[in-house]
Amino acid sequence: EVQLVQSGAEVKKPGESLKISCKGSGYSFTKYWIAWVRQMPGKGLEWMGIIYPDDSNTRYSPSFQGQVTISADKSINTAYLQWSSLKASDTAIYYCARQGGVGAFDSWGQGTLVTVSS
Amino acid sequence: DIQMTQSPSTLSASVGDRVTITCRASQSISTWLAWYQQKPGKAPKLLIYKASSLESGVPSRFSGSGSGTEFTLTISSLQPDDFATYYCQQYNTLYTFGQGTKLEIK
Repeated sequence: EVQLVQSGAEVKKPGESLKISCKGSGYSFTKYWIAWVRQMPGKGLEWMGIIYPDDSNTRYSPSFQGQVTISADKSINTAYLQWSSLKASDTAIYYCARQGGVGAFDSWGQGTLVTVSS
Repeated sequence: DIQMTQSPSTLSASVGDRVTITCRASQSISTWLAWYQQKPGKAPKLLIYKASSLESGVPSRFSGSGSGTEFTLTISSLQPDDFATYYCQQYNTLYTFGQGTKLEIK
C-alpha cells in the first residue's frame, strides 16, 4: 500500500526557520515526483512545487519560488519543505502528494498544520 | 500561468440529485485534468484523471468529461457521503487547482 506520512503539527514564531517532512513507503520512492500543496485556513489548494527524489530535480510555482525550499533524501525515502524565515501568512496546512503514473496526484499525506504566531 | 475557474462556487443539492460542476482553463490543456474530493479535516482524494478516467475504487456514479478548455464532473445520483468540496486541477503545464466547489445538502 502506498503511504505518505508527514511530520507533526508545528507552532513557530515569525522569523523562525522550519523544515517539515514527508516519508513515502509501499512503492519505489525515487521514481515518482512528490509535490507540496498549501491550504490556508478555510481556503483552496495551491500547488507550491515538486521534486523528483531520484535526482532532486525540482520545480516551483512562481508564487512560491524563493519563499520555500523543497528537497529530498532518497536514502530514507523522505521529502522536505522548508522555510528560512516564517511569516504569519505561512499559517496553513501543508500536504505532500505523489504524482502517479497517470500524472495526477494519486496519494496524499495526512497534512501538517503549521501555525506561525507571535 | 494557466488559470482554472470552477463554477459554481457553492452548490446545494439533495440526496439522489444529479449534479454537474464545471471547470474552465484559461488555455487549452488537452485532457490533462484531474478532479479531487476533499472532506473537512481530510486530505484530498483523487476521483478522476485525464479528464474522464475513473480512479480505482471510486464509485461509478462519478464521471468526468471534456477536453481543451471546458470540463465537467458529474455525480449521477448524490449519496450522503458525496457532500464535500471538489477541486479540478490541470497538469498540462506545471499544476494549477481551481478554487473549489462546495457541495452542500439542500
